[in-house]
Formats: sequence, structure tokens, C-alpha cells
Amino acid sequence: EAGVAQSPRYKIIEKRQSVAFWCNPISGHATLYWYQQILGQGPKLLIQFQNNGVVDDSQLPKDRFSAERLKGVDSTLKIQPAKLEDSAVYLCASRPTWTDTQYFGPGTRLTVL
Amino acid sequence: AQKITQTQPGMFVQEKEAVTLDCTYDTSDPSYGLFWYKQPSSGEMIFLIYQGSYDQQNATEGRYSLNFQKARKSANLVISASQLGDSAMYFCAMREGLGGGGNKLTFGTGTQLKVEL
Repeated sequence: EAGVAQSPRYKIIEKRQSVAFWCNPISGHATLYWYQQILGQGPKLLIQFQNNGVVDDSQLPKDRFSAERLKGVDSTLKIQPAKLEDSAVYLCASRPTWTDTQYFGPGTRLTVL
Repeated sequence: AQKITQTQPGMFVQEKEAVTLDCTYDTSDPSYGLFWYKQPSSGEMIFLIYQGSYDQQNATEGRYSLNFQKARKSANLVISASQLGDSAMYFCAMREGLGGGGNKLTFGTGTQLKVEL
């Protein structure tokens, strides 16, 4: 079974530019999560989708971050405009309905200069 | 207050020995779940083990076991017979509530484990 796929793996941009990350969850997983992991910290939830609906986006900085999950499968996370403090690893995870366990992708390492 | 506390920023262990990584948690919810994930330098979070708050027995998965002490609110990870490939960052995480639609995970700050020859 294929795992959670994410791209790109690495991205370097300058502040005030925009960037987008893509995630393809494990087939059949209805729930999808985006986490932000700043260096030296644990991941922090940004947004959670159930199929194509948002369940929790309370910690998403909505003035610059947006996310969508069209058709309840793939998801994209966008930052516009990026700030220096957005430098982090962005992790996508998915979860099937029958378990509490979340399965993570390899992450996208973003560097904002 | 921190919901998940990992007090060991770094740990060293010799190959083939056992090691315990500490995790304490804070919740007033009677229903919760505790997870341990491994994060190698490649960055991917790898699920290791899960313990539900109502589970009577400590969870085990191969060389991993979870020492769950509910009254002390601790959920320590025990790795037996350490291997060089166990060198990684280890995160403890908690899910509060009954799961299902909520299921948000709160992570600790992690423990960096180094296995030495």
C-alpha cells in the first residue's frame, strides 16, 4: 500500500513570495491533516479535513495560509505572502475511519529567506 | 500548561541495551489516546505504538512497549535491544476526546535518541 505522498520535498523562497504544497493521502483515508513543524518543536496542527470539508482550522493563520481538498482526495496548502517565520517542515497526514492512528508523509521543508 | 511533556531533550544508549523515553501528559478528558512516533533525519513521522485511556494492558509492538501509568499520567516508551537504526527523534502525542471526527494530536517537543556501538 502506497503511503502519503507530498511534493515538493524542499522549497526555498524569498519572503513575500507565495508557495504551494501538495499532498496525496493513502487511498481510502477520509481524514487529512496539515501540520507545521518548526525546528526543535513537535508538529502543530494547521488544518484538518474530513473528506472535502474542514473540521478544524483554528490554528491556521488565515490571513496568509489557505488550504483546500477538492473531491476529498488530494490537498494543497498555500502560503501567500510568506514570512521568515514560516520556515518549517510541513507535514501531511491521513487517517482511515476505523483507527485513531495518523500516517504521515515525508514532509516539505520550506526555507524562507 | 503543556499537554505533553518530554523532559529528555537527548538520550544516549548502547546498542542491544534497553532505553526508556519519558512522556507525561495533562488532560481532564476521561477518553484519550497516546501515541509514539519516530522521526528519523529524513523527516517522516513513523507511527510506533498506541495506548488508549481505557486499555487495561500496556501496549506492545515488537521491540516497543508503552509503560502506561494512568494515575501518574505517564506514558513512557521502552525500546528493548536498541539498534543503530533506532537513532532518531521520538515524539509523544495525545488525542483527547472520543476520537472520530475530532482526533487532533498534540505533540511533545521530542527526545533525540542516539544509539552507540
